[in-house]
Parts: sequence; C-alpha cells; structure tokens
Amino acid sequence: AAGVIQSPRHLIKEKRETATLKCYPIPRHDTVYWYQQGPGQDPQFLISFYEKMQSDKGSIPDRFSAQQFSDYHSELNMSSLELGDSALYFCASSLGGEPQHFGDGTRLSIL
Amino acid sequence: SQQGEEDPQALSIQEGENATMNCSYKTSINNLQWYRQNSGRGLVHLILIRSNEREKHSGRLRVTLDTSKKSSSLLITASRAADTASYFCATDAIDLNRDDKIIFGKGTRLHILP
Repeated sequence: AAGVIQSPRHLIKEKRETATLKCYPIPRHDTVYWYQQGPGQDPQFLISFYEKMQSDKGSIPDRFSAQQFSDYHSELNMSSLELGDSALYFCASSLGGEPQHFGDGTRLSIL
Repeated sequence: SQQGEEDPQALSIQEGENATMNCSYKTSINNLQWYRQNSGRGLVHLILIRSNEREKHSGRLRVTLDTSKKSSSLLITASRAADTASYFCATDAIDLNRDDKIIFGKGTRLHILP
C-alpha cells in the first residue's frame, strides 16, 4: 500500500539559509500534518491542512510557512535557518478521524 | 504543557519478558494512540483505543485505557529484540478545541536484551 512520501530524506543547510521540505500524502487522504522532532524529544505539532486549507497551527515559528497544493502534496518552507532548527521533520496524513500515517521524515541538519 | 507523559522513560528487559509502558494525559480525549519509532526513523502506528473502550489487543500488544485516571498502558508480551524502539502515546485533546492534531508524550525507550 502507498505510504506518505517525504523528500528529501536528509538535508544539510547553513545558518540563515532556506529549506523546503516536501510531503506527498497517501492518496485520498484529506488532511496533512507537519511535526518537528528535536534530538531526544517527542514530536511537536507544527501545522495541518484539511482539503488544502490550513486547519490548525501549533508551535511553528514565524520563519516557517507551509502550504498544500492542488495535488494535495504539501511543502514546509523554512527561512533564516537557525542551529536549533536541526531536527527530524515528519509529515503525516489521515482520512477523516482515522489514525495518522507518518512518513519516514526529513532529517535537517544546520551547520 | 505536555499532554502525554510516559513512564518509564527508559526500560531494559530480557528477551521473552513482558514490557509495560504507561502514559498519563491531562485533558479529555476522543482517542489515544500508541506509536513506535525506531531510532531516527518514522513513527509507526501501533494501536488506537477510543475513549469508550477499556482494553484492546493487537497481536502481542495489549492496550488499556482508564479515562477516570487519564492513563493508558501498553503491554508487549514475549518481547523480541526487534521490539527495541521508542514508544510514544499520543492523544487528541477535545478540550483544546483543536481536534485534528495529536499530541505526543515524551516516549519510553525500550531496549530488549538478548
């Protein structure tokens, strides 16, 4: 069965650069979520989209933005990167009230 | 503040033994889920228990939910080396009026010794 696809798997950036993470949800899933997991931390909710509209917002810095496109894929845009942004970024998708399915994540390292 | 808190934070047991992990949460929920995460990898959904359920089984997994105590436990029976991972509970929190996200606890790192 198709799963949530995230790209890239690994990304290395320097401070003050920008990064774009992509997520392709499971087909026909109507909701996409983004989470950030710092080293040794639990995943923290960033933002979600339902049918291409932002549905909820968590602890997402103002330097980050996200959107969901007409083909339902989502992108997380991160600017003015800081060392503390180094983390695993997960995308998840779900349909209705069913459990979220997570991608393998993008590991972002800021030098 | 964190919705879900797991204990213990770390657990080492011998292969073949049972592993029990607990989770407590603070607000009313629609459901509680358990996820597993191998080191640096994605989160794998294990089991979902709804607020009107008290116990649920899936293979070697047994989950209980006590809404009066706002707590849940995950029992893994006959543990295997491949069960070594971090286990997170996650809740949706209806009182936060944001029912489309889940909030993770800090996780239990389970290590199965050969």
